[in-house]
Amino acid sequence: DIQMTQSPSSLSASIGDRVTITCRASLSVGGYVNWYQHQPGKAPKLLILSTSNLKSGVPFRFSGSGSGTDFSLTISSLHAEDFATYYCHQSSSPPYTFGQGTKLEIK
Amino acid sequence: QIQLRESGPGLVTPSQTLSLTCSVSGDSISNPSYYWSWIRQPAGKRLEWIGRMYASGTKYINPSLESRATLSGDTSKNEFSLRLTSVHAADTAMYYCVRGPLSTVRAPPDIWGPGMMVIVSS
Repeated sequence: DIQMTQSPSSLSASIGDRVTITCRASLSVGGYVNWYQHQPGKAPKLLILSTSNLKSGVPFRFSGSGSGTDFSLTISSLHAEDFATYYCHQSSSPPYTFGQGTKLEIK
Repeated sequence: QIQLRESGPGLVTPSQTLSLTCSVSGDSISNPSYYWSWIRQPAGKRLEWIGRMYASGTKYINPSLESRATLSGDTSKNEFSLRLTSVHAADTAMYYCVRGPLSTVRAPPDIWGPGMMVIVSS
């Protein structure tokens, strides 16, 4: 199985801050890395697919980048509604796997 | 607008079988443009992909669950199901049914049900 390792596991930041979450895959995943936002009591929401493609309707402050085994999600200016847990996910080969999550908290 | 909703018993006895159903509205599980999957998340742990099925009937199950998990679909009711045998405490989790597009290569699931908590306990 391809292991996905995120860092940091948790992050404290303030509204307006720029934050970056990284994800490392144990094998090359051909760019098929996706990012989800998960808020308590809700279903995960797809933000970015295939490294850098913003899902329709997702604010432009979210962006993704990377290649090979190293990927990142950046939020350019935090809004109150962005405080949540974020997961990376590889859809390159089954079994499709997720990172352990990064909990973004208000400082 | 497509909606998915999980249903089934919220409490299952150890060694018994867990059966969950996902009711689909706004689309058909026979639509060849999408795949239908189950994903779960134990409390405090990462999301785990359980398996996927296609309108063609082809199914893929996570090898870690292959011996215990079965996916099936009922086109007359427009729902698909997960059956997990010989459950134990480690199967306690939030279970999600999801849909993903086949129009884009290796596209991730983009529509999720609200999730259903299943507890395995005597």
